[in-house]
Amino acid sequence: EIVLTQSPATLSLSPGDRATLSCRASQSASNCLAWYQQKPGQAPRLLIYDASNRATGIPARFSGSGSGTDFTLTISSLEPEDFAVYYCQQRDRWPPITFGQGTRLDIK
Amino acid sequence: QVQLVESGGSVVQPGRSLRLSCAASGFTFSNCGMHWVRQAPGKGPEWVAVISHDGREKYYADSVRGRFTISRDESKNTLYLQMNSLRTEDTAVYFCAKDLGITWSEGQRYFDHWGQGTLVTVSS
Repeated sequence: EIVLTQSPATLSLSPGDRATLSCRASQSASNCLAWYQQKPGQAPRLLIYDASNRATGIPARFSGSGSGTDFTLTISSLEPEDFAVYYCQQRDRWPPITFGQGTRLDIK
Repeated sequence: QVQLVESGGSVVQPGRSLRLSCAASGFTFSNCGMHWVRQAPGKGPEWVAVISHDGREKYYADSVRGRFTISRDESKNTLYLQMNSLRTEDTAVYFCAKDLGITWSEGQRYFDHWGQGTLVTVSS
């Protein structure tokens, strides 16, 4: 099973700042990694798949990079609606499909 | 537009059974792999099970294998999760989610559409 470890657990930033979130895999996940955003009381929303492809309707300020064991989600300039919890998820070696434990992006 | 609507969640005692349903619309249900993903209170998502577009392939998380069964009814565009021998650690919001890929064979095991979730509470 591939274990995904996200860092930091909490990130406190201001609107307009650049956010960099990390996801590290316990073994290679190739480029088979996605990022999701979740707001309270809502289902997760797919942002990025296959490490760097934006999902339909996702703004260009969201970008993903990485391969193998190290992946990054970057939000170039934070908007007020971007403050949420972010999860990474791998599909390379499944089952099981696994998620990271999440990074909470808070308003500073 | 794609819609996934779960139902069937409730409060049940440990050891009992429950069946969840997910009504799908707005896409070609018979082409797509479908998943159940759960989220315990204050925790991250946990993948539970997937079923291929034709129902021939089914895969489960270790934590539910042998207790839960995923199935689908193409005539009703509905996904199911039969949950037996429920445990307190099964308490969670259960989401159905659609495979990203247009076809099962693409292998795009990501979740591009989710339902609103249904709460299952296992407690004595």
